[in-house]
Amino acid sequence: DAKTTQPNSMESNEEEPVHLPCNHSTISGTDYIHWYRQLPSQGPEYVIHGLTSNVNNRMASLAIAEDRKSSTLILHRATLRDAAVYYCILRGLQGAQKLVFGQGTRLTINP
Amino acid sequence: SAVISQKPSRDICQRGTSLTIQCQVDSQVTMMFWYRQQPGQSLTLIATANQGSEATYESGFVIDKFPISRPNLTFSTLTVSNMSPEDSSIYLCSVLPDRVGEQFFGPGTRLTVL
Repeated sequence: DAKTTQPNSMESNEEEPVHLPCNHSTISGTDYIHWYRQLPSQGPEYVIHGLTSNVNNRMASLAIAEDRKSSTLILHRATLRDAAVYYCILRGLQGAQKLVFGQGTRLTINP
Repeated sequence: SAVISQKPSRDICQRGTSLTIQCQVDSQVTMMFWYRQQPGQSLTLIATANQGSEATYESGFVIDKFPISRPNLTFSTLTVSNMSPEDSSIYLCSVLPDRVGEQFFGPGTRLTVL
């Protein structure tokens, strides 16, 4: 499974944008970049995913580098409810389709 | 989308006993996964349980310890056998309705082994 690297923790202030980085230098051409988050005492929830182009949805934006070796999850205006562990995961279309979780980034939001 | 329920939500068990965790999905899905999350840790994939085939276990997990059934496209069970305190974890069921899209997770079963 292709590996991702994320900072262990980040901190931001409420109502400010948050940029969560992820490095995935060994990504293959068919790997999708997925982001999930896990709020305290809950199961993981989907945030966003993309292949090559930047993606936007109601929760966040995903900016993918041109060489696809890194990506950034952008929370445009963080709230206290966004405090969670954020996981950047690669999943290919070939093989087992499984999501393999790394350690993720623990995001703290200050009021 | 998919809504997943798990039973039990939590349990406290004695070492040496077994517990079967049930996972029910509100729609038919082919791909289902079981994860474990030990205290303070990330999620670890135990096995992939696709209907119509034997479960595929990840390295470090064996069928004798974690037998899985997948009798139909909406239901699965995971049994934690001959439990020890090291098995104390949250066990999560997850499904992937679409090969490309979102994976859904159940609320988890919190297991404590004494």
